[in-house]
Amino acid sequence: DAKTTQPTSMDCAEGRAANLPCNHSTISGNEYVYWYRQIHSQGPQYIIHGLKNNETNEMASLIITEDRKSSTLILPHATLRDTAVYYCIVRVVSGGATNKLIFGTGTLLAVQP
Amino acid sequence: EAGVAQSPRYKIIEKRQSVAFWCNPISGHATLYWYQQILGQGPKLLIQFQNNGVVDDSQLPKDRFSAERLKGVDSTLKIQPAKLEDSAVYLCASSLDPGLAGQYFGPGTRLLVL
Repeated sequence: DAKTTQPTSMDCAEGRAANLPCNHSTISGNEYVYWYRQIHSQGPQYIIHGLKNNETNEMASLIITEDRKSSTLILPHATLRDTAVYYCIVRVVSGGATNKLIFGTGTLLAVQP
Repeated sequence: EAGVAQSPRYKIIEKRQSVAFWCNPISGHATLYWYQQILGQGPKLLIQFQNNGVVDDSQLPKDRFSAERLKGVDSTLKIQPAKLEDSAVYLCASSLDPGLAGQYFGPGTRLLVL
């Protein structure tokens, strides 16, 4: 699976958009980009995933560059409850053992009041 | 819909003792995962089940760790004997299938080995 690079930490003002970058310059054509987050003392929470098109759901938007070498997770109106570690993961999707999620150390997003 | 349930939430044992963790996945989820998360690190996959069969246990320290998923629903993870370095949070996750679907995690069991 391709490796990802994320900033160690970021700050964001409450009510503003939080834009979390992720670099995955060695991504392969059959690898998807997944985002999870982990609030303190909780298990990770699935947020969103995509292959090459931009995706949006009730939690966030995922913008993947045309060359797929980087992506940005956007939380449109950050709240204090969005303070968490955000993990960007790329992985091959298939029906077998290659489904493995490999977590890095992620980005600690601190939403400030 | 109910989430992934895990118990106990906390456990303190002495080294060389044994311990077991229990997980009940989301109803209908065929794929179940156990992860270990050491403080300051991201979760690391220990074992993946598809129904009651093991798909991937390449990262499971088989000399001391074992896991089973009888009847393809609940699962238990056991450590015997425990070492100091096993102190971590043990997370269970489930997904509808091993493909595109996201994984849904339980709250974890925090283990401290003294």
